[in-house]
Amino acid sequence: DTGVSQDPRHKITKRGQNVTFRCDPISEHNRLYWYRQTLGQGPEFLTYFQNEAQLEKSRLLSDRFSAERPKGSFSTLEIQRTEQGDSAMYLCASTQDLYEQYFGPGTRLTVT
Amino acid sequence: KQEVTQIPAALSVPEGENLVLNCSFTDSAIYNLQWFRQDPGKGLTSLLLIQSSQREQTSGRLNASLDKSSGRSTLYIAASQPGDSATYLCAVNSNYQLIWGAGTKLIIKP
Repeated sequence: DTGVSQDPRHKITKRGQNVTFRCDPISEHNRLYWYRQTLGQGPEFLTYFQNEAQLEKSRLLSDRFSAERPKGSFSTLEIQRTEQGDSAMYLCASTQDLYEQYFGPGTRLTVT
Repeated sequence: KQEVTQIPAALSVPEGENLVLNCSFTDSAIYNLQWFRQDPGKGLTSLLLIQSSQREQTSGRLNASLDKSSGRSTLYIAASQPGDSATYLCAVNSNYQLIWGAGTKLIIKP
């Protein structure tokens, strides 16, 4: 068990560019979550997968955001045409069913 | 719609004191509640998970309680240490997703 990992840890991009983040969950966990956190706030739910199926998306997630979890293993979160308001920490978590959620270190996105 | 509130937003106490952090939620239909710690610029570390059928959980100097009917949870930290300084967040598992409070920033003065 190596924990949840995320890549990259930091990303600086110019407005209008596309970015993609990766999350590798704990191997035996069937659920994978994406959250977004801005400074001084608690995280906000974005989307989650059970195995390879994306079961729910937040209304916060505009059409510019897309997430995948091929084969129920790692997941990617892509943001197209980034905006300054997308600057945040993007957090990934995994869990088995309704047990404890374990978080990765996050990817800090800065859009200039 | 589930809402989670944490009071106070910040707390500063001398080392060695026992302290209580509060978390309240508006909808008692929850699966579980989880307490986390977050150090500046870092990710989230899970401290305790309380399932909806449980009343409390303990880990070392930490004790978390849950009262679903009143929509409240408390995190008790015994004999606080400077290393406990961090932001503490509670999150309610409602409809398979975590709904978060804004956190309590805790400073333990040596």
